[in-house]
Amino acid sequence: QVQLVESGGGLVKPGGSLRLSCAASGFTFSDYYMSWIRQAPGKGLEWVSYISSSSSYTNYADSVKGRFTISRDNAKNSLYLQMNSLRAEDTAVYYCARTAVAGYDDYWGQGTLVTVSS
Amino acid sequence: DIQLTQSPSFLSASVGDRVTITCRASQGISSYLAWYQQKPGKAPKLLIYAASTLQSGVPSRFSGSGSGTEFTLTISSLQPEDFATYYCQQLNSYPFTFGQGTRLEIK
Repeated sequence: QVQLVESGGGLVKPGGSLRLSCAASGFTFSDYYMSWIRQAPGKGLEWVSYISSSSSYTNYADSVKGRFTISRDNAKNSLYLQMNSLRAEDTAVYYCARTAVAGYDDYWGQGTLVTVSS
Repeated sequence: DIQLTQSPSFLSASVGDRVTITCRASQGISSYLAWYQQKPGKAPKLLIYAASTLQSGVPSRFSGSGSGTEFTLTISSLQPEDFATYYCQQLNSYPFTFGQGTRLEIK
């Protein structure tokens, strides 16, 4: 069965950095695109970033462009999100998701909470 | 960016009711639309993609329709487990924006 398990969340000060990881199992990770989606406390969903199966193509929301970097290691079945210059408005639960070529996310992890506060 | 507006934002209904949620896009997105269900404290779950294709394992009481700028999610007969928040997402162009959500509560 498909499993996605995020880790790496926590409390960080404004301007700080954090690296999220997502461990995938139950499917051929290298065949799939992957995405990060976030949800601020009590708010709706916000698409953050996307990476193609071979890492050849990435895309970012304007709100994180230049600060966040998505990457993957197909040998380790892992997805990453490097988050730099964090702001209070980046506080959210971050979900990794398996993404179909058509763009929809058919499996989601349980999420990891990132809190940016002094 | 393409904006998605869901209506209503809040819906109160009873078990057995038929409910419809609408998602309107600020520009045409063909059929590049997905619907998700989210329960409190849980990750979203994919219900429908390509506007009307039911994801495997999703009950047939859920259906989606529409193309261009107007889409609907219909639940034909509400079950207790359907009370949740529903989101639409456009997949026509980056960024893949979501609607603001429709919270469906028990009357």
